[in-house]
Amino acid sequence: GENVEQHPSTLSVQEGDSAVIKCTYSDSASNYFPWYKQELGKGPQLIIDIRSNVGEKKDQRIAVTLNKTAKHFSLHITETQPEDSAVYFCAASMTNFGNEKLTFGTGTRLTIIP
Amino acid sequence: EPEVTQTPSHQVTQMGQEVILRCVPISNHLYFYWYRQILGQKVEFLVSFYNNEISEKSEIFDDQFSVERPDGSNFTLKIRSTKLEDSAMYFCASRAEMWGSRETQYFGPGTRLLVL
Repeated sequence: GENVEQHPSTLSVQEGDSAVIKCTYSDSASNYFPWYKQELGKGPQLIIDIRSNVGEKKDQRIAVTLNKTAKHFSLHITETQPEDSAVYFCAASMTNFGNEKLTFGTGTRLTIIP
Repeated sequence: EPEVTQTPSHQVTQMGQEVILRCVPISNHLYFYWYRQILGQKVEFLVSFYNNEISEKSEIFDDQFSVERPDGSNFTLKIRSTKLEDSAMYFCASRAEMWGSRETQYFGPGTRLLVL
């Protein structure tokens, strides 16, 4: 089955700096890669996603890049703000047959230092 | 904005007891999921449900687990005889459809289950 690795497990950046979180996946059939933000005591909230027919996607301060050959995708947050502090999870899925279970990475605890 | 809701938010039970976790998915969604997250660990897939039957289940989802959509709005996860290792946060998720830009799974706030 699919295996998703995520690095780093913790990340501290100064407010205003950029943060990068990296994930690799094992199954070349995966074609959908969402990123979720989880705040304390809450469920994962989708912040951005990318499909395998696209190499990069941007939404304001957040961007995701995908390298299908290397089976690698990354989350980039620019101009970080205190409210970006949370745990971020990457995930991978095969969106072909109607089930599309998400396989999650181990999470990155991002702390923004004011 | 529509959201997935879950009840209860917290549940404490004794080992061997049955628990039912309840979810109300987003109203026009067709695919339903349960995931769990043991404290400090990754979110793990348990089961997916479509058209009133299980589509896929993980090895975690053994005979002690069952899911049901008893009416048009609720989606439940039952654990028949809880074990200590069932202690976790359980998340329900739902998704509209498969094609186009509708792959997004929306997660509820979770039920924290503690088995003593």
